[in-house]
Amino acid sequence: ETGVTQSPTHLIKTRGQQVTLRCSSQSGHNTVSWYQQALGQGPQFIFQYYREEENGRGNFPPRFSGLQFPNYSSELNVNALELDDSALYLCAGSKGKTGELFFGEGSRLTVL
Amino acid sequence: GIQVEQSPPDLILQEGANSTLRCNFSDSVNNLQWFHQNPWGQLINLFYIPSGTKQNGRLSATTVATERYSLLYISSSQTTDSGVYFCAVVSGSRLTFGEGTQLTVNP
Repeated sequence: ETGVTQSPTHLIKTRGQQVTLRCSSQSGHNTVSWYQQALGQGPQFIFQYYREEENGRGNFPPRFSGLQFPNYSSELNVNALELDDSALYLCAGSKGKTGELFFGEGSRLTVL
Repeated sequence: GIQVEQSPPDLILQEGANSTLRCNFSDSVNNLQWFHQNPWGQLINLFYIPSGTKQNGRLSATTVATERYSLLYISSSQTTDSGVYFCAVVSGSRLTFGEGTQLTVNP
């Protein structure tokens, strides 16, 4: 039990649509990070939020955006979906910017 | 950015065998974690180990930060150990993952 939950677990979208993925973390996890994992690869860092502000971003275009709320929950938004956005999206909570990360079970997105 | 290399990429064992997985990284890191990813995609924390040695049951890990590598030891492997093992290093605000080792343990 990691204390991190994600929703939805699976979803299917079509190219050009927009998607919102959600993450809630146990109290004490004041930092949330999002990762994208394509099939057969390691997870890739999208961005991190600390105290509701973006604190680092990976090599992802601006159509990937996020929010962190005062209760430490978070959203990942992806606009103008492309086929290559099909992946497992993982949310992780941690105490502080460099603390141990605990991951949720992920949201598996398929873009048709 | 920092590079993380894991070896071997694939490993097939008979139940009861021992194994060593290696993780090399290219720069100084704030921390290092080992994960086991189950078939449903869940990343399970194994070790949070910036340096030194830790043990948890049949698993142990050693990180030598000055030489930029970490090792994960699995003893008396079981079929439930199958899956992908990831090493990930913390540098700045991000966790950088290796490509993983796919472990298959046959009965």
